[in-house]
Amino acid sequence: SAVISQKPSRDICQRGTSLTIQCQVDSQVTMMFWYRQQPGQSLTLIATANQGSEATYESGFVIDKFPISRPNLTFSTLTVSNMSPEDSSIYLCSVPTGYGTDYGYTFGSGTRLTVV
Amino acid sequence: KQEVTQIPAALSVPEGENLVLNCSFTDSAIYNLQWFRQDPGKGLTSLLLIQSSQREQTSGRLNASLDKSSGRSTLYIAASQPGDSATYLCAVRPGYGGSQGNLIFGKGTKLSVKP
Repeated sequence: SAVISQKPSRDICQRGTSLTIQCQVDSQVTMMFWYRQQPGQSLTLIATANQGSEATYESGFVIDKFPISRPNLTFSTLTVSNMSPEDSSIYLCSVPTGYGTDYGYTFGSGTRLTVV
Repeated sequence: KQEVTQIPAALSVPEGENLVLNCSFTDSAIYNLQWFRQDPGKGLTSLLLIQSSQREQTSGRLNASLDKSSGRSTLYIAASQPGDSATYLCAVRPGYGGSQGNLIFGKGTKLSVKP
């Protein structure tokens, strides 16, 4: 399965600032996904990062708040903009692994963000 | 709307005990179900992936079963060790609707194995 390198692993940021999270995959993948895990909650999909086109956002998430870059088939960034304490969460990237319709998902090691 | 529930929310057992974690889902139209492990503040490590046509998968001391018609999966951990302490998440990949990457996760079972 794919190996994902996610950076940074954690950060403490001031409110009103922005943080960019990076994910590097060791193989080419068509789609990459960004998730958020708020404290004590399950994971929620933020958006799908498509190479060569704009990201597709889930309901409740907007591009101005979570701009996504996907310059090639192995790399993506997620920016958390104009942060508030409510943005304190673990952010994870994910890629599908497997073949045909029987694929599962591999996740990065996560970025633990605390906004103060 | 697919919903995934995990019971219990937390579990504490002595080392060496065999244990079962439960996962239920409301819509049987799924491609597959995946069990993950998450250490505190970290990402997810995939443990087992069960396709909708399969009944169980095994990896070492772990065995996961799937009963799609009843909307249930169990993760069996044999001879538990302190290193098994983590949160265990199950997630289903819906068979229709939603974004391709939109796994539906439960809130997890936090397992603590005492030496």
